[in-house]
Amino acid sequence: DTGVSQNPRHKITKRGQNVTFRCDPISEHNRLYWYRQTLGQGPEFLTYFQNEAQLEKSRLLSDRFSAERPKGSFSTLEIQRTEQGDSAMYLCASSFGGGYEKLFFGSGTQLSVL
Amino acid sequence: AQSVAQPEDQVNVAEGNPLTVKCTYSVSGNPYLFWYVQYPNRGLQFLLKYITGDNLVKGSYGFEAEFNKSQTSFHLKKPSALVSDSALYFCAVSSNTGKLIFGQGTTLQVKP
Repeated sequence: DTGVSQNPRHKITKRGQNVTFRCDPISEHNRLYWYRQTLGQGPEFLTYFQNEAQLEKSRLLSDRFSAERPKGSFSTLEIQRTEQGDSAMYLCASSFGGGYEKLFFGSGTQLSVL
Repeated sequence: AQSVAQPEDQVNVAEGNPLTVKCTYSVSGNPYLFWYVQYPNRGLQFLLKYITGDNLVKGSYGFEAEFNKSQTSFHLKKPSALVSDSALYFCAVSSNTGKLIFGQGTTLQVKP
């Protein structure tokens, strides 16, 4: 069990550029979640997958955001045409089983949009 | 809609004293409640959860939480605080899909 891994740890980009983040969950976990956290706030749910199926997306997730989990393993979160308001910590979490199990979080990717 | 509220932005306690971090919830149906802790430059870590059963739930690092249905609360407690307990604490409620809705967090400062 190597934990949830997120790459990169930090990303600085210019407004209007596209960025992609990667999350590698704990290997036997079937569920994968993406959250966004800004300073002084709790994590906000973005989307989640069960295996390769994306089962729920938050209304926070505009059309510029897309997430994939091919083959039910790692996941990517892409933000197109970044805006300064996208600056945040993007957290990935995984779990095994149903909806009441604890989530294991990665350390996050800190995005700064200049 | 499900939600949790953490009414205190910060809680200050002296080392060795008991601590309480407050959380209230609003759900339709049965609540599934969690506490997570976030240390600086580290990911969120699970402390404990309440699904059903005994109202007093014991978790990691000596923490416990008391579920109170009549007051719709799920306060986090520890009998004797340590300086190393200083961190950001989040209460969360889960739907049966596993999506967690987090509170805004409470910073716990334990002073020597």
